[in-house]
Amino acid sequence: SAVISQKPSRDICQRGTSLTIQCQVDSQVTMMFWYRQQPGQSLTLIATANQGSEATYESGFVIDKFPISRPNLTFSTLTVSNMSPEDSSIYLCSVAARSSNEKLFFGSGTQLSVL
Amino acid sequence: DQQVKQNSPSLSVQEGRISILNCDYTNSMFDYFLWYKKYPAEGPTFLISISSIKDKNEDGRFTVFLNKSAKHLSLHIVPSQPGDSAVYFCAASEGNAGNMLTFGGGTRLMVKP
Repeated sequence: SAVISQKPSRDICQRGTSLTIQCQVDSQVTMMFWYRQQPGQSLTLIATANQGSEATYESGFVIDKFPISRPNLTFSTLTVSNMSPEDSSIYLCSVAARSSNEKLFFGSGTQLSVL
Repeated sequence: DQQVKQNSPSLSVQEGRISILNCDYTNSMFDYFLWYKKYPAEGPTFLISISSIKDKNEDGRFTVFLNKSAKHLSLHIVPSQPGDSAVYFCAASEGNAGNMLTFGGGTRLMVKP
């Protein structure tokens, strides 16, 4: 299994500001994924972060709003830009298990509240 | 359009009894299904999975059943324990999509002592 450290664990932010979430993995992984869980909702994939190339965004998510960095095989950041209360969610970093492409390991998440 | 649905937002079960969590899907291309458990303030943790070539997979107290014709899967926990109280998500993927998991909305299980 992979150990994923995500920070901050929670934050309260003002409207219009930006927050960068960090994700550190204890082993090298090819693909890292960023998910969002809005209150009472399921987990929704925001984007796939590939080392050395631009992230691949899912429908409804754009790079200007959620810029992602992936400088190496163990680290990624997700920025939530120009925040509004609708961005209040749990943001989760995840990586794929080596033994199974389908199984994902998740970080503990970042609880974001936007006032 | 929600491709993976968990129609019961919550379930309450007495300790020692069986918990049955249900999940329905609409995409016939899904061929791999997983269940995750999530405690508050923690990320989801993998629980059990099943490939579409099987109709049952068992791991200790946890068994997942898959009914492909009905596009339905269920997670059975027996006997249920208070520590099982959490939100359970089912997820599905297509063979060529690898890590692209589609999650259901989750079911909050409460196991009462």
